[in-house]
Amino acid sequence: QVHLVESGGGLVKPGGSLRLSCAASGFIFSDYYMSWIRQAPGKGLEWVSYISSDGSAVYLSDSVEGRFTVSRDNAKNSLYLQMNSLRDEDTAVYYCARVKNEAPPTYFQHWGQGTLVTVSS
Amino acid sequence: EIVMTQSPATLSVSPGERATLSCRASQSVSSNLAWYQQRRGQAPRLLMYDSSTRATGIPARFSGSGSGTDFTLTISSLQSDDFAVYYCHQYNDWPRTFGQGTKVEIE
Repeated sequence: QVHLVESGGGLVKPGGSLRLSCAASGFIFSDYYMSWIRQAPGKGLEWVSYISSDGSAVYLSDSVEGRFTVSRDNAKNSLYLQMNSLRDEDTAVYYCARVKNEAPPTYFQHWGQGTLVTVSS
Repeated sequence: EIVMTQSPATLSVSPGERATLSCRASQSVSSNLAWYQQRRGQAPRLLMYDSSTRATGIPARFSGSGSGTDFTLTISSLQSDDFAVYYCHQYNDWPRTFGQGTKVEIE
């Protein structure tokens, strides 16, 4: 079955950087778009990014454009989110998700359990 | 940006009763709408996509309807597992956006 495991979260100071990883198993990773979605404590869901199956197409929300980059390594079945210039408002649980295999990218079929990023001085 | 508005914010229902959740888009999203369930302390789970198609493994007591700007998720007979927060999500336009959620609680 589809399994997604995020890692790399933690406490970081404003202006700092963090790299999240998502390890995928149970499906052919290189066939699917992937996504990052976040949820601030006690709040709703916010889409952050998509990346195409071969990594050639990336979509980022305006709130993270220019600060976050998303990448993937299909040989390692892994998805990454490099977060730079972090702000207090980036504090959230970050989920990786598998997206239905089509373009443009659509809904989130399977979700990992999330990793918490806390930005605080 | 398309704003998704869910109502009510909280729905108090007794087990076995029917629950009806609404989601309204600020402009048409065609049928490009999904619903997710998030139980306390868990990740969201896909329930419905393309407005009315149940995801794999989702029980038939869940149904979705609507197109354009007005959508409904109905749970025909609430079970204990169903008490959770439900989010709608549009994937018709950029950026992808979610509603703020409806919490279904035990009355």
